[in-house]
Amino acid sequence: AQSVTQLGSHVSVSEGALVLLRCNYSSSVPPYLFWYVQYPNQGLQLLLKYTSAATLVKGINGFEAEFKKSETSFHLTKPSAHMSDAAEYFCAVMGLSGNTPLVFGKGTRLSVIA
Amino acid sequence: KAGVTQTPRYLIKTRGQQVTLSCSPISGHRSVSWYQQTPGQGLQFLFEYFSETQRNKGNFPGRFSGRQFSNSRSEMNVSTLELGDSALYLCASRREGTEAFFGQGTRLTVV
Repeated sequence: AQSVTQLGSHVSVSEGALVLLRCNYSSSVPPYLFWYVQYPNQGLQLLLKYTSAATLVKGINGFEAEFKKSETSFHLTKPSAHMSDAAEYFCAVMGLSGNTPLVFGKGTRLSVIA
Repeated sequence: KAGVTQTPRYLIKTRGQQVTLSCSPISGHRSVSWYQQTPGQGLQFLFEYFSETQRNKGNFPGRFSGRQFSNSRSEMNVSTLELGDSALYLCASRREGTEAFFGQGTRLTVV
């Protein structure tokens, strides 16, 4: 079964610092991968997705992620954190058949310190 | 283009009661999935419906059920509510093989 592991349930960075949120997937075949963001009492919003095209994927709000097959990773980065980035971030995986549900990691809460 | 709409946003129920939550997907999306989100367990998949048929099912007791109508709108029902059912219930819709779009969720509190 496919799964994702997010390292670190809570990450704290200073405003203007690099944001790095880690995600590793478990799958025999490179799957589709996603990053979502959730603000308090809201649903999930898609940040970016990897669908076997370019390995470096750019998303909204200045976020990007790089797919590394050799490391089975899909880490999320942003060069300079903003206070508005404080939220919970979820990595998710979906099989290539497209008819299996998204499987989510446990989430990483990002705090941004002024 | 309208997003995924979930109603109601908030709900308070008593133990032993049942509850029905509603989800209207994005127009043209035939797949609707439901997730339960709690602080301790994170996001857990409940079930997915596609063209009125349950296509995938998570590991939840039979008290949790759902259905999908011909217009793709979906409902989930929880019978004999327990305190542990208190959670944010999220609905997501998608086209085949693409990303899921989520609603705002229904916050269920069981007292």
